[in-house]
Amino acid sequence: KQEVTQIPAALSVPEGENLVLNCSFTDSAIYNLQWFRQDPGKGLTSLLLIQSSQREQTSGRLNASLDKSSGRSTLYIAASQPGDSATYLCAVPRETSGSRLTFGEGTQLTVNP
Amino acid sequence: GAGVSQSPRYKVAKRGQDVALRCDPISGHVSLFWYQQALGQGPEFLTYFQNEAQLDKSGLPSDRFFAERPEGSVSTLKIQRTQKEDSAVYLCASSLVGDSISYEQYFGPGTRLTVT
Repeated sequence: KQEVTQIPAALSVPEGENLVLNCSFTDSAIYNLQWFRQDPGKGLTSLLLIQSSQREQTSGRLNASLDKSSGRSTLYIAASQPGDSATYLCAVPRETSGSRLTFGEGTQLTVNP
Repeated sequence: GAGVSQSPRYKVAKRGQDVALRCDPISGHVSLFWYQQALGQGPEFLTYFQNEAQLDKSGLPSDRFFAERPEGSVSTLKIQRTQKEDSAVYLCASSLVGDSISYEQYFGPGTRLTVT
């Protein structure tokens, strides 16, 4: 059974700092990995999707990397802003070709002005 | 364009009541998913539809939970005889294609269910 772990559970940083969020998964036979953002009381917003054949994806100040062999992904946020404060979740498909997602418990990020 | 919408956004039910949660996916999206998110946890998969066919219901926690998507668009998640442990946010997501293909899931805002 696929298990996803995110470290740290919570992170508080001053504005402007670069930071890294970590995600690990137990079954490396994944099709892709997706990073989401969740604001309080809201649904999930997709940030980046990395296919298994890719090593990284970038969108603006966000960069996500994927190392399937070691079962790890990182989300790098450059020059953090207070508006980045949210919970960040990573998710992988439940089976190699399936689309049902298994999520980590998330990292709650606070960026202080 | 319009995203995934869910209604109601908040629902308070007394223990033992039945509830029905609605999801309107993005128009034309083939796949539809329901997830349950307890406070402070990541979402947990409940069930999956491809068009009107329910292909996977392995995540439904008990036979009190029932989902349908009769015309391949709108979906309803029904919970019978609600219990306090059913209190959670219920998230709906849709994607353009089904299994085995690159996809991206788009989530609705969720319905927060509180059972008293």
